[in-house]
Amino acid sequence: EPEVTQTPSHQVTQMGQEVILRCVPISNHLYFYWYRQILGQKVEFLVSFYNNEISEKSEIFDDQFSVERPDGSNFTLKIRSTKLEDSAMYFCASSDQGSMGIQYFGAGTRLSVL
Amino acid sequence: RKEVEQDPGPFNVPEGATVAFNCTYSNSASQSFFWYRQDCRKEPKLLMSVYSSGNEDGRFTAQLNRASQYISLLIRDSKLSDSATYLCVVKGAGRRALTFGSGTRLQVQP
Repeated sequence: EPEVTQTPSHQVTQMGQEVILRCVPISNHLYFYWYRQILGQKVEFLVSFYNNEISEKSEIFDDQFSVERPDGSNFTLKIRSTKLEDSAMYFCASSDQGSMGIQYFGAGTRLSVL
Repeated sequence: RKEVEQDPGPFNVPEGATVAFNCTYSNSASQSFFWYRQDCRKEPKLLMSVYSSGNEDGRFTAQLNRASQYISLLIRDSKLSDSATYLCVVKGAGRRALTFGSGTRLQVQP
């Protein structure tokens, strides 16, 4: 069964450092997403991406965040200057359709900011 | 008011029991509805989509009441492997963002 893969599974960083979280979406999917889940809280939408541009973003997705599809397979989330409150599980998802598509999630990257 | 509201539980039920979860959503323009399942520290996994006509997948039945903005999930003949957090998820019309509830935790006991 095709799946979304994310690396690394756990990233530890110092406050103020930049991190890049990586995702390989399902191969025939065209719509990509990032979500985050702070420990003990609900899953929250960050951003959706289609045709090499952001199609929707939440208020969480501020100037510290950026996304990129650097090649035909990877989809990345960059946090420029991490804060303690960025510590969370970050999930990448992909779908084959936009508003009607089912979103399939990767196993997540646990980001720990010290 | 929360966009998607769920009873957090936990629901502790014996194997073989029938258990029902409810969810309400605040945006009447919401278009798509889902139940996802999340195991501890794992990713959300789609359990089923929810349609106005109601739908069933094996032991799982989902219902949607648009007038009341209410979604339900019924699990029959609970198994130990059903122990997880069940997430009610809503998508707005024309939007791509999924809005998640906080989840209802189910613990099935032997």
